[in-house]
Amino acid sequence: EDKVVQSPLSLVVHEGDTVTLNCSYEVTNFRSLLWYKQEKKAPTFLFMLTSSGIEKKSGRLSSILDKKELFSILNITATQTGDSAVYLCAGTGSARQLTFGSGTQLTVLP
Amino acid sequence: ETGVTQTPRHLVMGMTNKKSLKCEQHLGHNAMYWYKQSAKKPLELMFVYNFKEQTENNSVPSRFSPECPNSSHLFLHLHTLQPEDSALYLCASSQANDRASYEQYFGPGTRLTVT
Repeated sequence: EDKVVQSPLSLVVHEGDTVTLNCSYEVTNFRSLLWYKQEKKAPTFLFMLTSSGIEKKSGRLSSILDKKELFSILNITATQTGDSAVYLCAGTGSARQLTFGSGTQLTVLP
Repeated sequence: ETGVTQTPRHLVMGMTNKKSLKCEQHLGHNAMYWYKQSAKKPLELMFVYNFKEQTENNSVPSRFSPECPNSSHLFLHLHTLQPEDSALYLCASSQANDRASYEQYFGPGTRLTVT
């Protein structure tokens, strides 16, 4: 059975801090890993990673995949209160469906 | 606002009621999904439709019945639900081909409370 584990489960930081969120996966015939941000409603797509070692970047957010060690990290630099959300990691494999982790609840205090 | 809409946004129903959740996508995708999100649990995939055909049913109780009349619309029919079915129900869509279906776009969800 496919499994995705995220850590930490929750994190509280102050504005300006840098955070690193972790995601490890065990997905049969792994194809890609995706990161989503979920505030009060629907998850919104952040990144899709398919190749090891290539960093994807969007503003203050960046992510990288290690297919050998089966994990990914999501970095957020200079955090803002608007970054407060649940960050979800999901893996897709041969079944073509997403297996989600439990998420990391990030709280950024002013 | 995303290209995936869901109605109603909130629903309170008794255990003997019958109701339906509706999802519509305006992205030209050919795959649609129902997920259940309960407190403190990962998103759970319930049903998948590729090209209007159901390809996944993850051991979902029969009191949940999906319907996909076309590639843009997806319904979830509910009857004789239990209080533990209270959750956020999310619809998503994606473009799928023979090789993969990756990036999914989510609707805002329906917050369901079963009393």
